[in-house]
Amino acid sequence: NAGVTQTPKFRVLKTGQSMTLLCAQDMNHEYMYWYRQDPGMGLRLIHYSVGEGTTAKGEVPDGYNVSRLKKQNFLLGLESAAPSQTSVYFCASSYSKYSQLGDEQYFGPGTRLTVT
Amino acid sequence: SQQGEEDPQALSIQEGENATMNCSYKTSINNLQWYRQNSGRGLVHLILIRSNEREKHSGRLRVTLDTSKKSSSLLITASRAADTASYFCASLYNFNKFYFGSGTKLNVKP
Repeated sequence: NAGVTQTPKFRVLKTGQSMTLLCAQDMNHEYMYWYRQDPGMGLRLIHYSVGEGTTAKGEVPDGYNVSRLKKQNFLLGLESAAPSQTSVYFCASSYSKYSQLGDEQYFGPGTRLTVT
Repeated sequence: SQQGEEDPQALSIQEGENATMNCSYKTSINNLQWYRQNSGRGLVHLILIRSNEREKHSGRLRVTLDTSKKSSSLLITASRAADTASYFCASLYNFNKFYFGSGTKLNVKP
């Protein structure tokens, strides 16, 4: 049981390049989230998904796109990277199929992205 | 922004002492959760308190919630050097959106 995994762990991009971050969970969770963490600012929600085939915007969605084609995977895309997107990205999942109250989130180890 | 505030931003104590950190949020919540993050790692869930609860305990952790003041506190009793980490509160809105506080960096000196 691997929990939540993220690929890659580190990446350096040049301004304007694109990339996709992959998040996978093996806990059969319904909800998945992408956050970014900047120094001194805590985590900010980028996009989230409440089920396969659905996505929604979070607090800071601009410059990012997401897809949830399979229940276990949640992809975060940067179409044209900017230096302001330098950050640590965390994926999380939680299970709420039978409860309307959100359960605890399980986090991946993070992806450290630098855009030069 | 819905993001909550935490205070203090940093806290340094001796092993064996208690550590208290506070969190405030802005609108009505479904529940509030506390997480720990060791340096360079992902967050780990510690404890959850629902909006209709006022206090909850888990081992050396005690969480309180005051919905009238829109605030919560986390108390770690008899702290250990291994408790050194950053602690975040996360409030759940609309049953599916989490907003995290800015975190408290705790340093427990042996």
